[in-house]
Amino acid sequence: DAGVIQSPRHEVTEMGQEVTLRCKPISGHNSLFWYRQTMMRGLELLIYFNNNVPIDDSGMPEDRFSAKMPNASFSTLKIQPSEPRDSAVYFCASSSPATSGGARDTQYFGPGTRLTVL
Amino acid sequence: GEDVEQSLFLSVREGDSSVINCTYTDSSSTYLYWYKQEPGAGLQLLTYIFSNMDMKQDQRLTVLLNKKDKHLSLRIADTQTGDSAIYFCAERFSGGYNKLIFGAGTRLAVHP
Repeated sequence: DAGVIQSPRHEVTEMGQEVTLRCKPISGHNSLFWYRQTMMRGLELLIYFNNNVPIDDSGMPEDRFSAKMPNASFSTLKIQPSEPRDSAVYFCASSSPATSGGARDTQYFGPGTRLTVL
Repeated sequence: GEDVEQSLFLSVREGDSSVINCTYTDSSSTYLYWYKQEPGAGLQLLTYIFSNMDMKQDQRLTVLLNKKDKHLSLRIADTQTGDSAIYFCAERFSGGYNKLIFGAGTRLAVHP
């Protein structure tokens, strides 16, 4: 498997523009997580989905942020309008309750999208 | 509440052992994890331990779990420069679904 795929890897945009980050989870995984990482706040869970349904979006900073998961193989995180304080690395992760000899619910992370809002 | 705490920074000499400590709050956690993040990369699972175990060893890595004190540690033997990274402790949230609660991460710096 290719692992969790995120695109783009880097995004530079101007304040006020719409930004869409994309994620393809590992095939067969039924949970998907969006995280944000900054030096100041560390790793923050923004939202997570289980079987394509949003379970907990309490970490979403404000209404400018929205996330969707239209099917089991694709999710988006959208910021509209973007602001400089949204600059961060955004990670997507997926997991499965199946153990396959490993730990249940191990999360597998994508490489992240580095967002810079000027 | 859900909280995982780690010290933020650790510096060791190459060849020495590194010990990274973590405390957690959810006594019902079934799994505890250690993730490694190298510069510019995502988090990668390093190892994990099931809550009914006290110790797990995997090559240079030793995980110790003290359930009474809710304390988890990761020992890296013969630390190498390639071990320089941020190490995250995480617990599996027992309150439903399959969320992991991550600590803030410990930055390990290995110097000659």
